[in-house]
Amino acid sequence: GQSLEQPSEVTAVEGAIVQINCTYQTSGFYGLSWYQQHDGGAPTFLSYNALDGLEETGRFSSFLSRSDSYGYLLLQELQMKDSASYFCVPGGGNKLTFGTGTQLKVEL
Amino acid sequence: EPEVTQTPSHQVTQMGQEVILRCVPISNHLYFYWYRQILGQKVEFLVSFYNNEISEKSEIFDDQFSVERPDGSNFTLKIRSTKLEDSAMYFCASTKDLTGYYGYTFGSGTRLTVV
Repeated sequence: GQSLEQPSEVTAVEGAIVQINCTYQTSGFYGLSWYQQHDGGAPTFLSYNALDGLEETGRFSSFLSRSDSYGYLLLQELQMKDSASYFCVPGGGNKLTFGTGTQLKVEL
Repeated sequence: EPEVTQTPSHQVTQMGQEVILRCVPISNHLYFYWYRQILGQKVEFLVSFYNNEISEKSEIFDDQFSVERPDGSNFTLKIRSTKLEDSAMYFCASTKDLTGYYGYTFGSGTRLTVV
């Protein structure tokens, strides 16, 4: 089985930095993926952490601590277009199981 | 950048009718998936497909559903006798391998409305 915990909603202002935390419990853990989904759109792959530490991709960074079953997504220099839902997804293996995600609202 | 292409973007069908949703995965990807998302709910796994056979399916994927890769490019989801509760956005996805590094690439979806 699998369980995921993320905040349901986060609000931040344009230009700010926001961190979306994720704790998970899953069998057969390979790594942690992050996906973004705008309303009415498809999920889009953002990053994947297989090893502990920080992965940086432009304005987005993702962190994993396997011993703590914890990760986070860090979004810097927030833009209005970052308003979306963000999902941490224990990944690798044959399927991804999405939770309810975190809805990020970016305000002026 | 390579894309997963889904057609049609919208489909309205009468209850009890059969529908086929079509997908063209990225050409060098080996693993294919169907997911669905009922309005306001989370993205749910339906089925995974590799090497011309189903590798895993969820409880949702019952006998009314089937998948096929009829040629080297298309990947289809057939719903045999649609029900009202099948109304959802259906996403096709593909990935190169199962390491996770490449992530899944999702198509833009087919919005299915059963009336």
